[in-house]
Amino acid sequence: DTGVSQNPRHKITKRGQNVTFRCDPISEHNRLYWYRQTLGQGPEFLTYFQNEAQLEKSRLLSDRFSAERPKGSFSTLEIQRTEQGDSAMYLCASSASGRENSPLHFGNGTRLTVT
Amino acid sequence: GENVEQHPSTLSVQEGDSAVIKCTYSDSASNYFPWYKQELGKRPQLIIDIRSNVGEKKDQRIAVTLNKTAKHFSLHITETQPEDSAVYFCAATYSGTYKYIFGTGTRLKVLA
Repeated sequence: DTGVSQNPRHKITKRGQNVTFRCDPISEHNRLYWYRQTLGQGPEFLTYFQNEAQLEKSRLLSDRFSAERPKGSFSTLEIQRTEQGDSAMYLCASSASGRENSPLHFGNGTRLTVT
Repeated sequence: GENVEQHPSTLSVQEGDSAVIKCTYSDSASNYFPWYKQELGKRPQLIIDIRSNVGEKKDQRIAVTLNKTAKHFSLHITETQPEDSAVYFCAATYSGTYKYIFGTGTRLKVLA
């Protein structure tokens, strides 16, 4: 399967702990996105990369959130000092690069529960 | 601002009837509009998309129309089937970037 892969699928953590999620995009895709989705809502944009460059980060995103894509391949999303409000599904997506926009291909997500 | 409004939030139709979901965007520079279907517990999957230089696109029972002047686009599903039941999301790109803003979703229920 050459789709977008996310690990872990589920993460339960206690408030105040740090968590890190990993995303492996489709190999030929240069753009990588992180979204957050809560029940009954659409995916909320967090950040995106083109190769290793982080091109935009949501203004709504707390400083506790940081994402990296050091070699332009896989990406990690870290949440420091987790809060109960961080509980959500974290979706990663990738797309092919080019002058025109191309569809996002989503992974299965990492479901975070903060207790 | 960055905003995509989607209506209705829920929609129930009888099997065989048509369903229409509408979205409105705010950025006149938006140029790409994909639609995603998300079944319970699964990832969003692209079902159809349209670019700003096209007014309508059709793929079997699914069609999308775009009105750039009014800044709205719609998803049309004809001859609905129970397997069409899912949550549908529209999205739009923003300000000449490759960022996608999603609508809040429409839960479609097709009644057999």
